[in-house]
Amino acid sequence: EPEVTQTPSHQVTQMGQEVILRCVPISNHLYFYWYRQILGQKVEFLVSFYNNEISEKSEIFDDQFSVERPDGSNFTLKIRSTKLEDSAMYFCASSEGGVKEKLFFGSGTQLSVL
Amino acid sequence: AQKVTQAQTEISVVEKEDVTLDCVYETRDTTYYLFWYKQPPSGELVFLIRRNSFDEQNEISGRYSWNFQKSTSSFNFTITASQVVDSAVYFCALPTGSARQLTFGSGTQLTVLP
Repeated sequence: EPEVTQTPSHQVTQMGQEVILRCVPISNHLYFYWYRQILGQKVEFLVSFYNNEISEKSEIFDDQFSVERPDGSNFTLKIRSTKLEDSAMYFCASSEGGVKEKLFFGSGTQLSVL
Repeated sequence: AQKVTQAQTEISVVEKEDVTLDCVYETRDTTYYLFWYKQPPSGELVFLIRRNSFDEQNEISGRYSWNFQKSTSSFNFTITASQVVDSAVYFCALPTGSARQLTFGSGTQLTVLP
């Protein structure tokens, strides 16, 4: 089965630093998402992206966050100035037809902000 | 409000027992989809099933079965003859936000003891 690939699997950074989390969605998918999961807690929606623009974002996704699809294959999440509370597992997902279809999730990037 | 409630935080059973995971949802949509995802200890999110609101027939897939009851807004998941490999966190999910995001319940940690 096709896969969503995320890199790196673990990222450790200092508070205030910028991080970029990378994702390669499934090639024929049109909808892309970022979710995060703080340890032991629920999976929280951050942002959805379609047709080269953000289609929905949550209140978590403030000005410190941005997403980009710089080429035909990558989908990135940038956190401009990380805070301690940004420490979480970040999941990328993609789907053919939006959230009414099955979402394929990557295996996640564990971000630790020190 | 559109939300998903999984009241069972943790369930522990002995191998070969049957176990039911509860999911109650709220939605203002007249047609909608519901999902279950599994998160094993390795951390990835694995799609299990999608149901649409048109179809209230129960679904069975091997040892897994789902009971969808619109009258009680519930979409419960039963594992028959549980196995240790079923140990995971199970999430129920519902598209919300004009169907641009998938909202997850808080999850149920299932532990199957040998």
